[in-house]
Amino acid sequence: SYELTQPPSVSVSPGQTVSIPCSGDKLVDKYVAWYSQKPGQSPVLIIYEDTKRPTGIPARFSGSNSGNTATLTITGTQAVDEADFFCQTWDSSNEWVFGGGTKLTVL
Amino acid sequence: QVQLVESGGGVVQPGGSLRLSCEASGLQFNKFGFHWVRQAPGKGLEWLTYIRHDGGRKDYAASVQGRFTVSRDNAKNILLLEMSSLRPEDTAFYYCAKDYGLVAATPAFDYWGQGMLVTVSS
Repeated sequence: SYELTQPPSVSVSPGQTVSIPCSGDKLVDKYVAWYSQKPGQSPVLIIYEDTKRPTGIPARFSGSNSGNTATLTITGTQAVDEADFFCQTWDSSNEWVFGGGTKLTVL
Repeated sequence: QVQLVESGGGVVQPGGSLRLSCEASGLQFNKFGFHWVRQAPGKGLEWLTYIRHDGGRKDYAASVQGRFTVSRDNAKNILLLEMSSLRPEDTAFYYCAKDYGLVAATPAFDYWGQGMLVTVSS
């Protein structure tokens, strides 16, 4: 089955830029979505189809996908962005796959 | 405004069964596919099952194939998950989630329910 790999944690200082990678075999051939989840809350879609932002998601969130790695980038990180982030894709075996998640700490 | 409200969670003994419901509002329910996703406490997200807008296609993760059954009632805007032969490792928060795509499935879930805890324990 297809697998997506994320680092368990990353940290960033307020106002700085942080990138969260998500790796998978030939991931560039698939669409990737990203979700943010804060403690006790449901996941929120923040990026879909690699680069698109749903209505209401701040422009400081952006996505890219190249080769075997998709990347979520937060530019000008705010304390409110502290959360768990999950990448997701859809495998040709008709399974939806999530990465293991990355905990973002804003120091 | 799209809302997904789940119900039916609780405590069940190993080997038991449970039915989860997800009532949708604020959307044309019969135009969208839906998923169930679970999250063990403190762990990551695990996709479980998908049902197409018309109920004509259903996909399952290997971990629940043959034990869980997804269905929908488009007249009542309700999504159901029937769970049987439950195991302690099925203990998790269960979410229903709407597929982003109109009619066709996509790799993005744009609305999620509030989640409900299912605990499998004797």
